[in-house]
Amino acid sequence: GAGVSQSPSNKVTEKGKDVELRCDPISGHTALYWYRQSLGQGLEFLIYFQGNSAPDKSGLPSDRFSAERTGGSVSTLTIQRTQQEDSAVYLCASSPRTGGGQPQHFGDGTRLSIL
Amino acid sequence: GESVGLHLPTLSVQEGDNSIINCAYSNSASDYFIWYKQESGKGPQFIIDIRSNMDKRQGQRVTVLLNKTVKHLSLQIAATQPGDSAVYFCAEKGYGGATNKLIFGTGTLLAVQP
Repeated sequence: GAGVSQSPSNKVTEKGKDVELRCDPISGHTALYWYRQSLGQGLEFLIYFQGNSAPDKSGLPSDRFSAERTGGSVSTLTIQRTQQEDSAVYLCASSPRTGGGQPQHFGDGTRLSIL
Repeated sequence: GESVGLHLPTLSVQEGDNSIINCAYSNSASDYFIWYKQESGKGPQFIIDIRSNMDKRQGQRVTVLLNKTVKHLSLQIAATQPGDSAVYFCAEKGYGGATNKLIFGTGTLLAVQP
């Protein structure tokens, strides 16, 4: 289990409910990223964490979206009062550090479906 | 604006042929580029990367070419195999105040015919 791990792999919920998505990055990776991928589309950046620095939240689409990273490792992405347009695959990635060009390694994502 | 796009949304090739997937990027200040392969139901898998101080980089059966003059990136796959069938994304490292995110193109579907 050396890769990025995400859970759950699939989540179906009703409109208006809150959801939490979890990401376990590769051990030792200090940078963690969340992206969103809609059907047949590329990846859309959401948020980025690096060590103890303030996260870059510039990609979060609304204030219903938030994320935390506890202890510099596991991260949780929370979507409150879900809407149908939130349906997508949410992907997490980690890298050893940022800057200078480091490939990001992705998990297999959480497929979120809002009914 | 920020954009990384692909010329061909679908590419169909015969097994054993070489494949070339193209990508255009918009910002000449971008200094790092990555190609990812994504199979159905999986996350993107890193293939190869290249920095802007290089024109070419080779991996196992793959080569990435960077033409900064026309802001063009390509991925060449030699002797394409059925297992290469997937969606391929190019990505550009963000620039300016957003240097930590990757900007992805919309992807090219590579279909390898046996």
